[in-house]
Amino acid sequence: KNQVEQSPQSLIILEGKNCTLQCNYTVSPFSNLRWYKQDTGRGPVSLTIMTFSENTKSNGRYTATLDADTKQSSLHITASQLSDSASYICVVSANFGNEKLTFGTGTRLTIIP
Amino acid sequence: EPEVTQTPSHQVTQMGQEVILRCVPISNHLYFYWYRQILGQKVEFLVSFYNNEISEKSEIFDDQFSVERPDGSNFTLKIRSTKLEDSAMYFCASREPGSNQPQHFGDGTRLSIL
Repeated sequence: KNQVEQSPQSLIILEGKNCTLQCNYTVSPFSNLRWYKQDTGRGPVSLTIMTFSENTKSNGRYTATLDADTKQSSLHITASQLSDSASYICVVSANFGNEKLTFGTGTRLTIIP
Repeated sequence: EPEVTQTPSHQVTQMGQEVILRCVPISNHLYFYWYRQILGQKVEFLVSFYNNEISEKSEIFDDQFSVERPDGSNFTLKIRSTKLEDSAMYFCASREPGSNQPQHFGDGTRLSIL
């Protein structure tokens, strides 16, 4: 069964600090891995998409890494801001048509001043 | 920036009633999706739609569910006879053609079944 596991479940850090969120997946066949940000009461917003041939991708202060051999990904956030408080969801596409995404349960990140 | 819009934002319905959730995808997008998120749980794929037909569906998407693109702009999800366990947030998403394109999500419809 395709699964995406994330850790930690929740994280609290001080504004300005960096943090790294983890994702492990057992999805086959693998097409791509995405990180989404979901603010409370809103729909998910795409941060990065990586195929199996990419091992790092950045979007501003967000940097995602992918190790397709170990089936692990991380999302690193630098110089955190209060607006980064949200759930961060790791999502894996299991076929090359991008038709069926498997979502992780997310990491709830809280930035405190 | 263009957005996916969903209406209503909150729908309250009696068990056994039919409900239609509406979505207006981004105008040049050709692939459309519905997802649901039960409170406190992960987002789950329901169905994908392309070229006026379902391209893939999950085991959740049983005979009680149907999707339609009635005109050039709307994309709807119908639940024929709602059950208590259908209570969830329902998200619509759309994307451009091409591989590895991001899916753009609406802000969802919260469906509450009484």
